Amino acid sequence: EAQVTQNPRYLITVTGKKLTVTCSQNMNHEYMSWYRQDPGLGLRQIYYSMNVEVTDKGDVPEGYKVSRKEKRNFPLILESPSPNQTSLYFCASSLGGVRPPTGYTFGSGTRLTVV
Amino acid sequence: EDQVTQSPEALRLQEGESSSLNCSYTVSGLRGLFWYRQDPGKGPEFLFTLYSAGEEKEKERLKATLTKKESFLHITAPKPEDSATYLCAVQAYSGAGSYQLTFGKGTKLSVIP
Repeated sequence: EAQVTQNPRYLITVTGKKLTVTCSQNMNHEYMSWYRQDPGLGLRQIYYSMNVEVTDKGDVPEGYKVSRKEKRNFPLILESPSPNQTSLYFCASSLGGVRPPTGYTFGSGTRLTVV
Repeated sequence: EDQVTQSPEALRLQEGESSSLNCSYTVSGLRGLFWYRQDPGKGPEFLFTLYSAGEEKEKERLKATLTKKESFLHITAPKPEDSATYLCAVQAYSGAGSYQLTFGKGTKLSVIP
């Protein structure tokens, strides 16, 4: 089944403890991205990657890191999480390459709570 | 700065009562407008991509249209299972082969039996 898989689905952590949220897709998509969703603010892009070793900042990159060493994986790293990073996070992927990305497929989400 | 505004924020319809959701946008270099459906606690589900003014796409009870400034999602004879939040997003070229996606805040649709 074609899908984007995020882990974990739920995570409660303490301020300052480094964490990684994994994202993997099995569709051979070039394009991958991370979003956070907060009530009243909607979905906001954190980082995106057009292909392996190519990443760029979205609208709200502060406090986050990403890497794209393999085509299928795009982990989101919070090196020192703070309570304002409590949110619902989504990973997405799409075909890209020479054409613009189309028909993004989203993962099921990771609900992160930082206390 | 790219902006996407969806209206109304919430919409309650009786089953069978057709209506439209609006997505107005300002973007430099539009490279696609997307509609998604999102159920509570789940990831957005892709519905349509529109690329140029005048384009229309249909799927079951849903029809999406695009002009140079806005898009409409028409819902014909909705059923309770159409209840969800509908998201609009615009994709713009940001240079060096990169594209950015900006979402609106969504319209929460409730269809009452």
